[in-house]
Amino acid sequence: GQSLEQPSEVTAVEGAIVQINCTYQTSGFYGLSWYQQHDGGAPTFLSYNALDGLEETGRFSSFLSRSDSYGYLLLQELQMKDSASYFCAVRPGGGAGFQKLVFGTGTRLLVSP
Amino acid sequence: NAGVTQTPKFQVLKTGQSMTLQCAQDMNHEYMSWYRQDPGMGLRLIHYSVGAGITDQGEVPNGYNVSRSTTEDFPLRLLSAAPSQTSVYFCASRAGVPPGANVLTFGAGSRLTVL
Repeated sequence: GQSLEQPSEVTAVEGAIVQINCTYQTSGFYGLSWYQQHDGGAPTFLSYNALDGLEETGRFSSFLSRSDSYGYLLLQELQMKDSASYFCAVRPGGGAGFQKLVFGTGTRLLVSP
Repeated sequence: NAGVTQTPKFQVLKTGQSMTLQCAQDMNHEYMSWYRQDPGMGLRLIHYSVGAGITDQGEVPNGYNVSRSTTEDFPLRLLSAAPSQTSVYFCASRAGVPPGANVLTFGAGSRLTVL
């Protein structure tokens, strides 16, 4: 089986930097993804890491360490519109597992003025 | 492009009723899937398909049926609705090869209440 752990809630102020951690246990591994979901909306793709290291996309960066089964999403210059839930997700390995995307339970980010 | 279109957006059923949630994508994606989202549970995979005529079970398939007769459509059927199936349902699709294979595109969701 597989499991992902991420904090349930994180709070920060506008302009700050926040890091959302994700640790995972899977029977195989093909990459770690991050999705953003605003209240009442659909999840939208943010980033994907297949290899160790940092991927940067504008104000958002994502990091992966496969040896530690750990990744994080870094949000810089926080804005009020960044208040949302953030989900990490993994593609387990091994046969049909490769076709599935398994999500964590999500981290609710609250940005205050 | 419309992306992934789900209908209906809202539905109320009585226990034992049946219904079909529709999902269509216009991106020629090979892979399509259904997730349900419950408070505090994240997104859980119900069924998925890697192409027309091919479907497989996810984490929580019981009580749901799917079929994939065309590349575009992937309906989810509830044969006998139960209150435990009250949830928000998301359809999602992706390409079959990278880099698109690493990006799931979600529909807007269908909120189902079973009384």
